[in-house]
Amino acid sequence: DAGVTQSPTHLIKTRGQQVTLRCSPKSGHDTVSWYQQALGQGPQFIFQYYEEEERQRGNFPDRFSGHQFPNYSSELNVNALLLGDSALYLCASSSLQGRYGYTFGSGTRLTVV
Amino acid sequence: LAKTTQPISMDSYEGQEVNITCSHNNIATNDYITWYQQFPSQGPRFIIQGYKTKVTNEVASLFIPADRKSSTLSLPRVSLSDTAVYYCLVGDTAWDKIIFGKGTRLHILP
Repeated sequence: DAGVTQSPTHLIKTRGQQVTLRCSPKSGHDTVSWYQQALGQGPQFIFQYYEEEERQRGNFPDRFSGHQFPNYSSELNVNALLLGDSALYLCASSSLQGRYGYTFGSGTRLTVV
Repeated sequence: LAKTTQPISMDSYEGQEVNITCSHNNIATNDYITWYQQFPSQGPRFIIQGYKTKVTNEVASLFIPADRKSSTLSLPRVSLSDTAVYYCLVGDTAWDKIIFGKGTRLHILP
């Protein structure tokens, strides 16, 4: 049973460009959350998707957007990249009725130069 | 969402039992307490979750006093591979965005 799968694992982009990160949730999970983790910091919540809709959002600008597909997979899009967007981007999945925490992927390391 | 406070860092030695305490004074009635472990450049990994009293699994125990305003993660007989950051989180169902604090950096020495 595969856990949460994220792609790509590493990515280098130039300031001003756009990037799309992908996430496949754990089998049986229907909710996907995205987190940004800067070096030495705890993960910061970006947003959560359920039933193909953004249900909750953290304190991130509109440059950060997402999508959830009917198969529960999700994408995170970041426009007009800034140097400060360099971070590890984590995807976490859960089930609506679950009481057993979130399953995280290994993340995508984004470097903006 | 209840705010959590935990030590920034801890050191211990291989073979010792390690206890990490987390304070969550504003925990709500429906909140569960969950601990995650994170190694560098990896996503956090679920360790244990509890609501009250004591929960034990194959890797850790979680002790929660009756007032639920704190909790203690207990790692028995730690090894070098237990060196990681440990996060204490408090929240309700999967609807709630889970908020990470800075966590506790545990360093196990030989």
